[in-house]
Amino acid sequence: SQQGEEDPQALSIQEGENATMNCSYKTSINNLQWYRQNSGRGLVHLILIRSNEREKHSGRLRVTLDTSKKSSSLLITASRAADTASYFCASTDSWGKLQFGAGTQVVVTP
Amino acid sequence: KAGVTQTPRYLIKTRGQQVTLSCSPISGHRSVSWYQQTPGQGLQFLFEYFSETQRNKGNFPGRFSGRQFSNSRSEMNVSTLELGDSALYLCASSSGLSTGTGTNEKLFFGSGTQLSVL
Repeated sequence: SQQGEEDPQALSIQEGENATMNCSYKTSINNLQWYRQNSGRGLVHLILIRSNEREKHSGRLRVTLDTSKKSSSLLITASRAADTASYFCASTDSWGKLQFGAGTQVVVTP
Repeated sequence: KAGVTQTPRYLIKTRGQQVTLSCSPISGHRSVSWYQQTPGQGLQFLFEYFSETQRNKGNFPGRFSGRQFSNSRSEMNVSTLELGDSALYLCASSSGLSTGTGTNEKLFFGSGTQLSVL
């Protein structure tokens, strides 16, 4: 079973637009991470937000965390064609296992 | 620093066979974890090894096993392959110094081994 559920499943936007995706999780967490995966390849870590943080920025990425709602969001600003990928949230459950969400597939068209 | 290396990149097997996949972590990393990725089930945690010991395990049958060597390289083995084992198998490494898989640590992933079972 997966710890996180992501919404939307797929997102299609044009270059320059912002992309927002959401992640919900089930159990209490120590931190939540976001990863990107280009088609058929390994995952690349994007950002980690700790449970006592509410917002974090990294370049064009902005992540928020609401532990009361057990949810997080990832915003990619001024998207580029190279941002086309699948994005996954991942949280560590109480047994110490990193559980991934189902992912959001983002397509950025020129 | 070299990244996480997984071999082979592609593998085709038939039902009933067994397979061994290899993962070399980033130099200095002592934790290696394995994931199975399929279109239907997404990314599923298989197990994590730290200093040659299995530290955590997912909900997979006993046909899935792994081990880690003293140089931190890891192998996973799947015996009696089934059609449903067709998947992308990913390994990830980290220093492993935090308690549990990925706690307060980011993971570095290899490119994966694409296994097809016919």
